[in-house]
Amino acid sequence: AQSVSQHNHHVILSEAASLELGCNYSYGGTVNLFWYVQYPGQHLQLLLKYFSGDPLVKGIKGFEAEFIKSKFSFNLRKPSVQWSDTAEYFCAPWGGKLIFGQGTTLQVKP
Amino acid sequence: DTGVSQNPRHKITKRGQNVTFRCDPISEHNRLYWYRQTLGQGPEFLTYFQNEAQLEKSRLLSDRFSAERPKGSFSTLEIQRTEQGDSAMYLCASSLEAGGADTEAFFGQGTRLTVV
Repeated sequence: AQSVSQHNHHVILSEAASLELGCNYSYGGTVNLFWYVQYPGQHLQLLLKYFSGDPLVKGIKGFEAEFIKSKFSFNLRKPSVQWSDTAEYFCAPWGGKLIFGQGTTLQVKP
Repeated sequence: DTGVSQNPRHKITKRGQNVTFRCDPISEHNRLYWYRQTLGQGPEFLTYFQNEAQLEKSRLLSDRFSAERPKGSFSTLEIQRTEQGDSAMYLCASSLEAGGADTEAFFGQGTRLTVV
């Protein structure tokens, strides 16, 4: 069965701090990996995706993620967060269907 | 607007009533998903369609829930005999399945259901 786990439920950072959000998934076959973001009052939107090739993928707004197949992980990173990054972040593996982790609420203090 | 459209945006209903939500996906997308999201949680998978075929339905989904996509375009999600626990945001997403893999899923704004 397909499953996903996000390690951090609530993260509070100051502006300019570095961010890393953990995501581990389980699925026996080929998997595509996504990170979605939900800004306050807005709908879910794609942050970045991995299908194949270079395991380090870059997304919008300076976010990047690294796929480590041996660890079944797809961690999200940003070197320097901004107040506008305050949002909920969801890791979502696709292995036949798209499922979501429980999400991480990121609060960036100005 | 050529994105995913959901109607209504908000629905308040009395316990025991039936409700129906509609989702209009992006026109060329062959996959359509329904999710339910409650506060502080990630979207919970309910069901998905490829064209008009319902390929999977969550085992957690009560038989009070039914979804259709009759012509492979718009979809409806019906909840019969609503309960207070059904109160949630219901999300629809669509994507283009190509070569056995999903491309990006695009989400609608959701329908917020409140059962009183």
